[in-house]
Amino acid sequence: GAVVSQHPSRVICKSGTSVKIECRSLDFQATTMFWYRQFPKKSLMLMATSNEGSKATYEQGVEKDKFLINHASLTLSTLTVTSAHPEDSSFYICSASWTVSYEQYFGPGTRLTVT
Amino acid sequence: AQTVTQSQPEMSVQEAETVTLSCTYDTSESDYYLFWYKQPPSRQMILVIRQEAYKQQNATENRFSVNFQKAAKSFSLKISDSQLGDAAMYFCAYRAGGATNKLIFGTGTLLAVQP
Repeated sequence: GAVVSQHPSRVICKSGTSVKIECRSLDFQATTMFWYRQFPKKSLMLMATSNEGSKATYEQGVEKDKFLINHASLTLSTLTVTSAHPEDSSFYICSASWTVSYEQYFGPGTRLTVT
Repeated sequence: AQTVTQSQPEMSVQEAETVTLSCTYDTSESDYYLFWYKQPPSRQMILVIRQEAYKQQNATENRFSVNFQKAAKSFSLKISDSQLGDAAMYFCAYRAGGATNKLIFGTGTLLAVQP
C-alpha cells in the first residue's frame, strides 16, 4: 500500500515552454503533498507543500509564479514549470501523506531537462 | 531553525560487515521524529527506519538499527551484515511533532558495498 506515482518519469522541453508534472497517490487519499527538487548528488530541497483544495505554501526563495502547484483532488497534485529555462533542469520528486503528522510516501521522481 | 548534518559524504563497507552512518541535528523542540531514508540508483526514496523522540528505545528494522542519543542530538544508523543491495545514498531527516509533516533532510551519505 501507500504507492505514489509520477508522470512523466523523464521530460525534455525547449527553453521558454511550460511543462506539467503529475503526482498521484494510487491507493490512498493524500491530504498533503510535497514537491522537492534534487540536484545531482545533492539532498532533497523542499519547494512547496500543498493541501487539497487550498493554495500551496512555498518555501523561501521558490518562485510561486514559476512553479505552479495545484492540488485539486485528494489523489492528484501537479507541478507546472512555466517558461522553463536550462537552470530549471533537475530531478523533481513528490511525496504524499494522508493525515497531518503522518508518513510521507515518495514518488519515483521526474527528470526534467530544458534545452 | 532546525538543521540536520551528515558529516560523511561517502562511506564504504565490505559485504557482510557492519557500517555506521552518522547524523546530528539541531532543534529546540522536545517532540519530533527522526528518519533514515535510502535512495538507490533508481532515485526512489525508501524509508529505512524511524524514531520517535519520546521513545528511549532505539528503533530496529531487521539489519538496520539506530543509536539515538537525544541529549547529544545524535541519530546514527547501523547496517549489519551489509549486502550489495544496501549500496545507495542515505539521508537522515527530521520532522517536528505536532501539526506538520515537513521533512528536513541532511546532505546525505553515499554508501558503497564492496563484494
